[in-house]
Amino acid sequence: SHVLTQPPSVSVAPGKTAKITCGGNNIGSKRVHWYQQRPGQAPVLVIYYDTDRPSGIPERFSGSHSGNTATLTISRVEAGDEADYYCQVWDSRSDQGVFGGGTKLTVL
Amino acid sequence: QVQLVESGGGVVQPGRSLRLSCAASGFTFSRYRMYWVRQAPGKGLEWVTLISYDGRNIYYGDSVKGRFTISRDNSKNTLYLQMNSLRPEDTAVYFCARDGGDDYNPYFRSWGQGTLVTVSS
Repeated sequence: SHVLTQPPSVSVAPGKTAKITCGGNNIGSKRVHWYQQRPGQAPVLVIYYDTDRPSGIPERFSGSHSGNTATLTISRVEAGDEADYYCQVWDSRSDQGVFGGGTKLTVL
Repeated sequence: QVQLVESGGGVVQPGRSLRLSCAASGFTFSRYRMYWVRQAPGKGLEWVTLISYDGRNIYYGDSVKGRFTISRDNSKNTLYLQMNSLRPEDTAVYFCARDGGDDYNPYFRSWGQGTLVTVSS
């Protein structure tokens, strides 16, 4: 099954750009999705199909995918962006969902 | 708007059973695949199980296979998770989630607030 690797933590100053990566063998053919989870809250979808943004998600959130690495980019970071971020793919061979280990974004 | 409300969590002894429910509203429940995802305290997200819109296709994560059963009642707009032979490592917040995406790259479009299950003697 797929294993998705994320950095445990990323720190960024307000107004700067944060990049969170998600790597895994053979995810080049997969579409990667991203979720934001603020403390004590349910996850929220922020990017789907590598690059698409649900309605209501600020344009500051964007996604990209090249080879076996997907990246969530948050531009002009705000204090309210401080949260855990998870990537996710679907393993169609085993019909199971797979999440990355999560990245804690800290706004300095 | 889409609303998912989980219930049924609580404290249960190892080896016992518990049934979770997820009441759905704000969308046509019978048209969507549904999922359970869990999160152990201080840990990351773990996908648990999937049920197709009509209940005919069901899949489980390796850690719960043979112990948990997902089901749905489309007439009641409700999703269920029957959890048997519970273990301490099943302690987690359990979220129900509504499907987004296609058959090959599904994602979790909407989430409930979760219900906490604690397995402890």
